[in-house]
Amino acid sequence: AQSVTQPDIHITVSEGASLELRCNYSYGATPYLFWYVQSPGQGLQLLLKYFSGDTLVQGIKGFEAEFKRSQSSFNLRKPSVHWSDAAEYFCAVVPYGGSQGNLIFGKGTKLSVKP
Amino acid sequence: GAGVSQSPRYKVTKRGQDVALRCDPISGHVSLYWYRQALGQGPEFLTYFNYEAQQDKSGLPNDRFSAERPEGSISTLTIQRTEQRDSAMYRCASSLTDNEKLFFGSGTQLSVL
Repeated sequence: AQSVTQPDIHITVSEGASLELRCNYSYGATPYLFWYVQSPGQGLQLLLKYFSGDTLVQGIKGFEAEFKRSQSSFNLRKPSVHWSDAAEYFCAVVPYGGSQGNLIFGKGTKLSVKP
Repeated sequence: GAGVSQSPRYKVTKRGQDVALRCDPISGHVSLYWYRQALGQGPEFLTYFNYEAQQDKSGLPNDRFSAERPEGSISTLTIQRTEQRDSAMYRCASSLTDNEKLFFGSGTQLSVL
């Protein structure tokens, strides 16, 4: 079955530490891949997306993600986390050729940042 | 407006009542989307419009759910005869066209008692 998996429900990191949030997908063809962030009381905001080309994608707020076809993964990374990064992060996909609006989301990873 | 606006912010209703949730997209955005997010889950696609035309309603869970966008701007998601399982955050998003970046509103938190 087609699915998006975020294995970590909740992660806590110290401010200044590096961060990696995991995302795996299960689709026949490589889908379009996205990471969104949701801060409390806010709407979802797009951090970055991958359609094709360079497998290392740069996004806003210092985030990057790497597409690895062999692992069906699209992990989100940040070298040094700031307290303001505390939020919930969602990986999402659109099946190849589909509309960007018909997103299929993972269950999310909540990030807490320790001082 | 500056962003996608949804109202009300919170809605508490009794089981069996009808509710209408409103979405005001970014001015000029052609495409409008409705998602539902249950507690502990990611958002789930419900339906979307280009202008006033409903392009895809495959995500609507049953016939108690309907949506309209009569003038190609503001949209209303209506849930008839609400049930407790309808309790969730309902999120609206809009985009310039249907293959562009989505901008999400803050959502309407629906609680059915």
